Amino acid sequence: SAVISQKPSRDICQRGTSLTIQCQVDSQVTMMFWYRQQPGQSLTLIATANQGSEATYESGFVIDKFPISRPNLTFSTLTVSNMSPEDSSIYLCSVEEGTRDIQYFGAGTRLSVL
Amino acid sequence: QKEVEQDPGPLSVPEGAIVSLNCTYSNSAFQYFMWYRQYSRKGPELLMYTYSSGNKEDGRFTAQVDKSSKYISLFIRDSQPSDSATYLCAMSRNTGGFKTIFGAGTRLFVKA
Repeated sequence: SAVISQKPSRDICQRGTSLTIQCQVDSQVTMMFWYRQQPGQSLTLIATANQGSEATYESGFVIDKFPISRPNLTFSTLTVSNMSPEDSSIYLCSVEEGTRDIQYFGAGTRLSVL
Repeated sequence: QKEVEQDPGPLSVPEGAIVSLNCTYSNSAFQYFMWYRQYSRKGPELLMYTYSSGNKEDGRFTAQVDKSSKYISLFIRDSQPSDSATYLCAMSRNTGGFKTIFGAGTRLFVKA
């Protein structure tokens, strides 16, 4: 399976600032996903990022708040903009390999907003 | 009704016990059924996946899918303290544009 590296692993940020999270994969993948996981909760899909096209956002998530880049088949970034304490969460990237709808995850970024 | 239902637990068992984790779902179109294990402060790790119905065994772990009942299970034999984690079920359909749906996760504690 693909090896997914996510950076930073954790950060503590001030209200009103922005943080960019990086996701690097060791092989070329078409589909990359960004999730949010709040404490004790399951995964909530933020957006799907395909190389060469605009990210597709889920209901409740907008590009101005969570801009995503996908410059090539091995890399993506998620920015959490104008942060508030409600953005404190774990952010995870995942990829689909091959033709199966099976996702593999990075270790996550633990974000705390003060 | 949620598409996937999973009891969040927590489930506490003694070491060596057989653990049964379950999910029910409502969409008969699901074809891939996955179990992820998530340790505290880590990302979900794919444990097993099954395509369509049937059983799959990997060491101490057995995954079962009953599509007629829309019910999937993960069994852990001879449970160990290192199995203490949150287990998430997930399911998807191999058709473009269809999201993977995750269960809420069941927290498992295996006591030494």
